[in-house]
Amino acid sequence: EVQLVESGGGLVKPGGSLRLSCAASGFTFSSYSMNWVRQAPGKGLEWVSSISSSSSYIYYADSVKGRFTISRDNAKNSLYLQMNSLRAEDTAVYYCAREGDSYEIDYWGQGTLVTVSS
Amino acid sequence: DIQMTQSPSSVSASVGDRVTITCRASQGISSWLAWYQQKPGKAPKLLIYAASSLQSGVPSRFSGSGSGTDFTLTISSLQPEDFATYYCQQANSFPRTFGPGTKVDIK
Repeated sequence: EVQLVESGGGLVKPGGSLRLSCAASGFTFSSYSMNWVRQAPGKGLEWVSSISSSSSYIYYADSVKGRFTISRDNAKNSLYLQMNSLRAEDTAVYYCAREGDSYEIDYWGQGTLVTVSS
Repeated sequence: DIQMTQSPSSVSASVGDRVTITCRASQGISSWLAWYQQKPGKAPKLLIYAASSLQSGVPSRFSGSGSGTDFTLTISSLQPEDFATYYCQQANSFPRTFGPGTKVDIK
C-alpha cells in the first residue's frame, strides 16, 4: 500500500523558515517524480514544486521560486521542502504527492499545516 | 502559464442525478488532464487521468472526456458519497495548474 506521511508543519513567524519532510513507503520511491501541493484555508489547490526521480529536473511555482527548495533522498525514501522567507500567504496545508505515469498525481499524503503568523 | 477554468463553480443536485462539470484550458493540453475529488478535511483523490482513464478503484459512474482545451467530468448517477469538491489539473507542462474547483452539494 502506497503511503505518504508528511511532517514538519507548524507555526512560524513571517520571515522564518521551516523544513517539511515526507516519508514514502509501499512503492519504489526512486522510480517516481514527486510533488508538493498546497491548499490555503478555504481555498483551492496550488501546485508548489516538482522533482524528478533522480533529482535531475526541478520545477517551482513562481509564488515560491527563490524561497523554497525541494529535494529528495532516495536512500531514505524521503522528500523534503525547505521553506525560507515565509510569508502570511504561505499559510496552507502542504501535501506530498506522487506523480503517476501520465503525469497525474495518483497518491497524496494526509497533509501538514503550515501557519505563518506573528 | 496555462490557466484552467471550471464551470459551474457550484452545483446543487439530488441523489440519482446526472452531473456534468466542464474544465477549459487556456491553451491546448492534448489529453494531459486529471480530475480529483476532495472532501472537507481530506486529501484530494484521483478520479480520472489522461482525460478519460478511470483510476483503479473509482466507481464506473465517473467518466471523463475531451482533448485539446475542453474537458468534461460526468457523474452518471450521483450517490451520497459523491458530494464533494472536484478539481481539474493540467499535466501538460510546468507550472502544473489546477482549476478553481466545482462544489457539488445536496439540493
